[in-house]
Parts: sequence; structure tokens; C-alpha cells
Amino acid sequence: AQSVTQPDIHITVSEGASLELRCNYSYGATPYLFWYVQSPGQGLQLLLKYFSGDTLVQGIKGFEAEFKRSQSSFNLRKPSVHWSDAAEYFCAVGAEDSSYKLIFGSGTRLLVRP
Amino acid sequence: NAGVTQTPKFQVLKTGQSMTLQCAQDMNHNSMYWYRQDPGMGLRLIYYSASEGTTDKGEVPNGYNVSRLNKREFSLRLESAAPSQTSVYFCASSSRTGPGGNTQYFGPGTRLTVL
Repeated sequence: AQSVTQPDIHITVSEGASLELRCNYSYGATPYLFWYVQSPGQGLQLLLKYFSGDTLVQGIKGFEAEFKRSQSSFNLRKPSVHWSDAAEYFCAVGAEDSSYKLIFGSGTRLLVRP
Repeated sequence: NAGVTQTPKFQVLKTGQSMTLQCAQDMNHNSMYWYRQDPGMGLRLIYYSASEGTTDKGEVPNGYNVSRLNKREFSLRLESAAPSQTSVYFCASSSRTGPGGNTQYFGPGTRLTVL
């Protein structure tokens, strides 16, 4: 069955430091991949998505992600973290069937030290 | 554009009571979804509607019913609420057309407590 793994439940970084959140997926063909962010008490906001083409995808708020087919990964990066980036981050992959559903990872909570 | 709206924002129920969570989208999307979010468990799909007039079970449908009232609106009903249904409920929609058709857009959520 399809799955998305976010191996880090929590990550703490200092403000101004770089960030990488890991995401691994299982999928047979070329996947549709997404990163969403959820601030406390809010809904999920789309950060970026990958469908095809350039494997380095730029998103909002200075985030980027790189699709690596050989590693089945879609890691999210930011060169310099701001305190307002503290939130929960979810990786998702489009279902292989024709349902247009998304399969979500369990999330990574980012804490930012001043 | 309001995007995806949900009502109510908060609700407290007693065990056995019923209620309906409302969701509406103004993006002319074909597909709509209901999720629940519990600590440490991410998002779990309850029901979805691929298009107007169709509904399908997701991962955790027991204890819930849905109605796709029209293209804009998709409601979730708890007939007899149980404490295990205490959760945050999110509605989402997607266009279901072409590349990117499965990009989902989320509402702000409904926080439900069942006593």
C-alpha cells in the first residue's frame, strides 16, 4: 500500500539556521508530491507541489523541496528559519488510483529557538 | 474568494447527541473531502466526494455520514456522538482536473469535543 513517512516527529532549530524536513514515499510511477504547513489552531496551507519537470521546486515563504526519485524522497528545505516558521509540516503524495485522494504523512513539528 | 469555509468553528456535544458540520467551497471544485486530525495521528480521511452526486468511504468512516448537497457544499453528520469522535475536523476540496487536480485546499477546521 502507498505510504508517506516523515521520520522526525519533532525538530528544533535556532532562528537563522537552515532547515531540512525529511519525507519518503512509496509509489510506483511518477508521483504528485506536496508539502503543507499548519500553524497552531489553523488549517493546512499548501507550501509547494511537484508534478513533473525540474526536480527542485520553489514554494511560498522561502521554502523549497527536491524530488529525488532514486531515494523516493521529497525533502523540504529553508536556508534561514524565522520564528514564524514554527508549525507542523505535512508531506503528502497523490494516490496511485484514479481517486485523486492524497496520502499524508504523520507530520513533523518544527520548534524555533530564539 | 473565501476558499473553503466551515461552520461551526467550535462545538461541544454530549454523548449521544447529533450534529452536522457544514463545509462550502467557492472554487468550483469537483471533489470534496472530510478529515479528522488527532494528536500524533496526522490526517485521516473520513469520507470523500469525487464529484457531485457521489460519496465514498475513506479510512475511518464508522460513526459518520455525509451529504454532497450540491457542487459547493459537503456536510458531515454525527448521528450519535461518542467521546472517541472528539477531534478537529477539516474539510478540503480539489478540482480533480488535469495535472495538479489533486491539490487540496483546506478549510480552517471545526474543533469538536464530545463529553
